[in-house]
Amino acid sequence: EVQLVQSGGGFIQPGGSLRLSCAASGFTVSINYMSWVRQAPGKGLEWVSVIYRDGATYYVDSVKGRFDISRDNSKNTLYLQMNSLRVEDTAVYYCARGRDNWDNWGQGTLVTVSS
Amino acid sequence: DIQMTQSPSSLSASVGDRVTITCQASQDIGNYLNWYQQKPGKAPKLLIYDVSNLEIGVPSRFSGGGSGTDFTFTISSLQPEDIATYYCQQYDNLPYTFGQGTKLEIK
Repeated sequence: EVQLVQSGGGFIQPGGSLRLSCAASGFTVSINYMSWVRQAPGKGLEWVSVIYRDGATYYVDSVKGRFDISRDNSKNTLYLQMNSLRVEDTAVYYCARGRDNWDNWGQGTLVTVSS
Repeated sequence: DIQMTQSPSSLSASVGDRVTITCQASQDIGNYLNWYQQKPGKAPKLLIYDVSNLEIGVPSRFSGGGSGTDFTFTISSLQPEDIATYYCQQYDNLPYTFGQGTKLEIK
């Protein structure tokens, strides 16, 4: 069974850093496209980032230079390193399997950026 | 960025009704469109990919159509478990973008 289990959210002050983790089971992260999608409280969905099978990475403009998507093949885990966090980054962050459509999702983790 | 506009933003219908949601792209996206269902407090669920292809396990009362800039999502006979927010999503160009969502309620 395919499963994505997320961890690492929480409360952080503006300018701070957090790393989100997404542990996969039932499939191999390194041979799949993997993405992050977020949802601000009471708002719609926003694509954040994708890592391709060849390691190429892409980001929405609002997080470029601040967020870094990566994976650890030995742990079959996807990460999102978030630096220089802003209030507007407050959201539930979901990891998902796929490049341009997402058939399996993590449970979501809330990141709250506030002073 | 490609803007996706869904209508209506909210919809109230009765069990058994036929329900249709529209999604308009700000430019031609071909057939690069998906539909998701999201229930409160849950992750989104992929229902339809590539405009009209049902994801495995999705009931046949769900369907999608369209091409270019105008797309539709239809529930042929609304069931109580269909209460959710529905999103369209384009993947013609990065950044991939979603519609603002359509909240579906039971009348």
